[in-house]
Amino acid sequence: GAGVSQSPSNKVTEKGKDVELRCDPISGHTALYWYRQSLGQGLEFLIYFQGNSAPDKSGLPSDRFSAERTGGSVSTLTIQRTQQEDSAVYLCASSLAAGVEAFFGQGTRLTVV
Amino acid sequence: AQSVTQLDSQVPVFEEAPVELRCNYSSSVSVYLFWYVQYPNQGLQLLLKYLSGSTLVKGINGFEAEFNKSQTSFHLRKPSVHISDTAEYFCAVSDIQSGANNLFFGTGTRLTVIP
Repeated sequence: GAGVSQSPSNKVTEKGKDVELRCDPISGHTALYWYRQSLGQGLEFLIYFQGNSAPDKSGLPSDRFSAERTGGSVSTLTIQRTQQEDSAVYLCASSLAAGVEAFFGQGTRLTVV
Repeated sequence: AQSVTQLDSQVPVFEEAPVELRCNYSSSVSVYLFWYVQYPNQGLQLLLKYLSGSTLVKGINGFEAEFNKSQTSFHLRKPSVHISDTAEYFCAVSDIQSGANNLFFGTGTRLTVIP
């Protein structure tokens, strides 16, 4: 596609429910990043995929968070047993190669009520 | 892992005045540096980047930044701001030497241009 696509754009869920956030990166981009943006908190790194290498999961805040990247393309970020503090905008980005500029999607705004 | 510090969380400036947004990163031999801008209710877009070569890099909308290796800084500047420059600005760094190539962001600086 022309850009990074994220779905859904907005998600409201009840506390305790599981959610899945999807990211379609730009075709051919080998690197894919997930970030979380909370008000006044900047961009918090969550997880990074690079080609077939093991992902860098060092930013995941708890074991309730996990992510997969299937076939080196689409990625899904899963949050289990959501909590109110999980409310944020979740941003996905992809880049042609590791370390070069990343292109961002519009994000998924998650609200846990 | 790299860390990025943007000391100024908010910068108000009058229209047509110059502005500098500061960015410092933790020390490393080889880094790539970026500035991203997020306009209200929009996604992040690349403003400019330093990969190699000249330490003064020019970006879109009249912005420029200078890579200073000795001070581990990459401050963003514009000689005359416009109302339309009101946005959140994020500095980011990728540590090439470590091989991780992850992309770390600062906490952002909110630039508000006052008419």
